[in-house]
Amino acid sequence: GENVGLHLPTLSVQEGDNSIINCAYSNSASDYFIWYKQESGKGPQFIIDIRSNMDKRQGQRVTVLLNKTVKHLSLQIAATQPGDSAVYFCAENGMGSGNKLVFGAGTILRVKS
Amino acid sequence: DAGITQSPRHKVTETGTPVTLRCHQTENHRYMYWYRQDPGHGLRLIHYSYGVKDTDKGEVSDGYSVSRSKTEDFLLTLESATSSQTSVYFCAISGGGGSIRYEQYFGPGTRLTVT
Repeated sequence: GENVGLHLPTLSVQEGDNSIINCAYSNSASDYFIWYKQESGKGPQFIIDIRSNMDKRQGQRVTVLLNKTVKHLSLQIAATQPGDSAVYFCAENGMGSGNKLVFGAGTILRVKS
Repeated sequence: DAGITQSPRHKVTETGTPVTLRCHQTENHRYMYWYRQDPGHGLRLIHYSYGVKDTDKGEVSDGYSVSRSKTEDFLLTLESATSSQTSVYFCAISGGGGSIRYEQYFGPGTRLTVT
């Protein structure tokens, strides 16, 4: 929603450039991670996921990198387009969380034409 | 939105009144969740359900109750709405046949304003 973005870090990129959005997760026992995209006025939308037995996974124009040593997750978007402008969230499953996810606060991506 | 609808989409209500939000899915997913989203807080889990009549509390459950009498519907009730419950509420589902256990799909959201 339009008020989600208050107090969130913002990344501004030029159309056509690559974007890198970072996320520090909290639970070293987490073994599953997801990136979501949320456009203004809409619900979060699944982008890509990765399991802890991998350190890289590629999708269409997106790549997720996982560094378990420093508990860091990143989302790379190639050739960023205006339609990529949104808030991006990472989520982790955590240990003992049942079927629940824990979400990060999010990063705003603004694409300049 | 993966066969998930929420109703109403927008609601304005007065402090002290009861409010019920409905989440309906057509995906036959086992797990359903209610989140609230506020500036600076991201998504916070209110309650979730792991089956019909099976529910549990999330991190911000005070002032909310839920019910799930059938697979398709998950209701969130504010017994006596307060201004602090003004928020955007999202329903999510997971655990459908063949889907990854943790992957959640979200509905379009309900914007609730308590005056």
